[in-house]
Amino acid sequence: DAGVTQSPTHLIKTRGQQVTLRCSPKSGHDTVSWYQQALGQGPQFIFQYYEEEERQRGNFPDRFSGHQFPNYSSELNVNALLLGDSALYLCASSVKNRGEAFFGQGTRLTVV
Amino acid sequence: AQKVTQAQTEISVVEKEDVTLDCVYETRDTTYYLFWYKQPPSGELVFLIRRNSFDEQNEISGRYSWNFQKSTSSFNFTITASQVVDSAVYFCALSEGGSQGNLIFGKGTKLSVKP
Repeated sequence: DAGVTQSPTHLIKTRGQQVTLRCSPKSGHDTVSWYQQALGQGPQFIFQYYEEEERQRGNFPDRFSGHQFPNYSSELNVNALLLGDSALYLCASSVKNRGEAFFGQGTRLTVV
Repeated sequence: AQKVTQAQTEISVVEKEDVTLDCVYETRDTTYYLFWYKQPPSGELVFLIRRNSFDEQNEISGRYSWNFQKSTSSFNFTITASQVVDSAVYFCALSEGGSQGNLIFGKGTKLSVKP
């Protein structure tokens, strides 16, 4: 049973560029949440997708957007990258309103 | 506002010692969930436990145990007879209401277990 998978594992982008990160949830899970983890900090909630709609959003600017596909996989898009966007981006999947969230291994984004 | 505080930034112990990781939370909700996750160097967050606000029973799972006390808003985690493989960053997290989508994490405690 595959767990949560994220791609790519590492990414280097230039300031001002746009990036797309991808997440496939654990089998049987229908809800995907995205988190940003800066070095030495705890993860911070970006947003959550369920039934292809954004259901909850954390305190992140509109440059951060997402999408969920009918197969429950999800994308995180970040526009106009800033140096401060450099972080580990974690995807978590769960079954709506029950059960614990399972996390992927993350995508390490470096903005130069 | 909701908040999770892990006051211990780093802890270093010698193998076989017991170690307790502290977690204090703040919330105005009466219904909430508390979690502990382990993050090894690979980066993936590994789920350890979930506890809802109505269940104050302590839990033991092998060498791991958790002490939930609503009176002090604490959810502490103890590893008995620590092993080198326990070395990781441990995060305590809180989610409010019935939804578990928005996890509020503490800053984590880095545990180093030396042989």
